[in-house]
Amino acid sequence: SQELEQSPQSLIVQEGKNLTINCTSSKTLYGLYWYKQKYGEGLIFLMMLQKGGEEKSHEKITAKLDEKKQQSSLHITASQPSHAGIYLCGADIGAGNNRKLIWGLGTSLAVNP
Amino acid sequence: EPEVTQTPSHQVTQMGQEVILRCVPISNHLYFYWYRQILGQKVEFLVSFYNNEISEKSEIFDDQFSVERPDGSNFTLKIRSTKLEDSAMYFCASRVEGALEQYFGPGTRLTVT
Repeated sequence: SQELEQSPQSLIVQEGKNLTINCTSSKTLYGLYWYKQKYGEGLIFLMMLQKGGEEKSHEKITAKLDEKKQQSSLHITASQPSHAGIYLCGADIGAGNNRKLIWGLGTSLAVNP
Repeated sequence: EPEVTQTPSHQVTQMGQEVILRCVPISNHLYFYWYRQILGQKVEFLVSFYNNEISEKSEIFDDQFSVERPDGSNFTLKIRSTKLEDSAMYFCASRVEGALEQYFGPGTRLTVT
């Protein structure tokens, strides 16, 4: 079965620093989602990547999917306290109309002012 | 922008009681999903639903769980006899035919006491 591994599990950075979170799949990714979550709360959609080599940006967050479509990275530039939270990657799996998402455990990010 | 809505936002129930969690998917979406997240754990797929029937269900989705689309707008998850371990955040999602992206609701936090 397909698994998603996120690294690191947790991260503490100083405000203004850049950081990268990785999501690695045991199989080819056909749709890779990045979400942000505050502990115990809902999922905030960040980006979805589908094509090998694809890169998307929103404000100071950039997500990339590698050419082989087995790894994605999320990069935050000049981090701010508002970036703190849990970052989750989710992968679309299945075939045809029978699709579902599997998830990584998340990376907990703290940004110190 | 259309969005998936869920009610209630928080439900507290006693062990053994039945609960119904409600979702209103985006109006032109045809595929519906329920996921759950036990606090501190991964988001897990429960069930997918299309054309008024279950497409796929996970091992978690046993006989205590059922889903229904009682009318043209609502999609419900029923737990017949709740257990303490059913305490979790339950997310509903929907997608349109021909696209991968799933749109998530804000979640219902279920607490079983």
